[in-house]
Amino acid sequence: EVRLVESGGGVIRPGGSLRLSCVTSGFSFANYGLSWVRQAPGRGLEWVSGISYGGDTTGYADSVKGRFTISRDNAKNSLFLEMDSVRVEDTALYFCARDYSTFEWLVKGIWFDPRGQGTPVTVSS
Amino acid sequence: QSVLTQPASVSGSPGQSITITCTGTHTDVGGFQYVSWYQQHPGTVPKLIIYEVTNRPSGISSRFSGSKSGNTASLTISALQAEDEADYFCSSFTSYATLVFGGGTSLTVL
Repeated sequence: EVRLVESGGGVIRPGGSLRLSCVTSGFSFANYGLSWVRQAPGRGLEWVSGISYGGDTTGYADSVKGRFTISRDNAKNSLFLEMDSVRVEDTALYFCARDYSTFEWLVKGIWFDPRGQGTPVTVSS
Repeated sequence: QSVLTQPASVSGSPGQSITITCTGTHTDVGGFQYVSWYQQHPGTVPKLIIYEVTNRPSGISSRFSGSKSGNTASLTISALQAEDEADYFCSSFTSYATLVFGGGTSLTVL
């Protein structure tokens, strides 16, 4: 069974740092691109960042570029998001998602774990 | 990286068909055949229902179909059912090698 389990969220003051993790299982991790997607309370989806299956290509939304860093550890089947200089507007539920198809980064849509809970991040003074 | 434009809400009666539009630019929707659609029920994660404009993942009903013309993509749901009531989001790959979502459309089944 494919699982994506997020963790690391919490309450943090503006300007602070946080590291999100996503531990995966049930599929060939190294063959898939991965993304972080967030959803503020009562709002829509926002793609935050993604990393290709090979790890050599990354992308960021303009809203987080220069502040967030995505990385992956293929040995641990894990995805990370380092969040620096956080802002109030970064408050959201953060989901980890996997490319729908192997070896194709982002183009064939992304898949969310139906049992996923996301990890909540609240930025507040 | 602007958000793709979707209507805030649409509605239809059981058995009817509805269409949700998703408008972008030549740098996203218009530039690629890489539009996806997601369904999200309250309290759940988004579910991929269409990818590459017209393709359905395994297990997705044929009542869901997608199309694209120029900078606008569309999701059509035929033979509307009560269980289709949900939020729907489009997304597109962009020329900046990123992904951008639409603002979302709330579907009400009357």
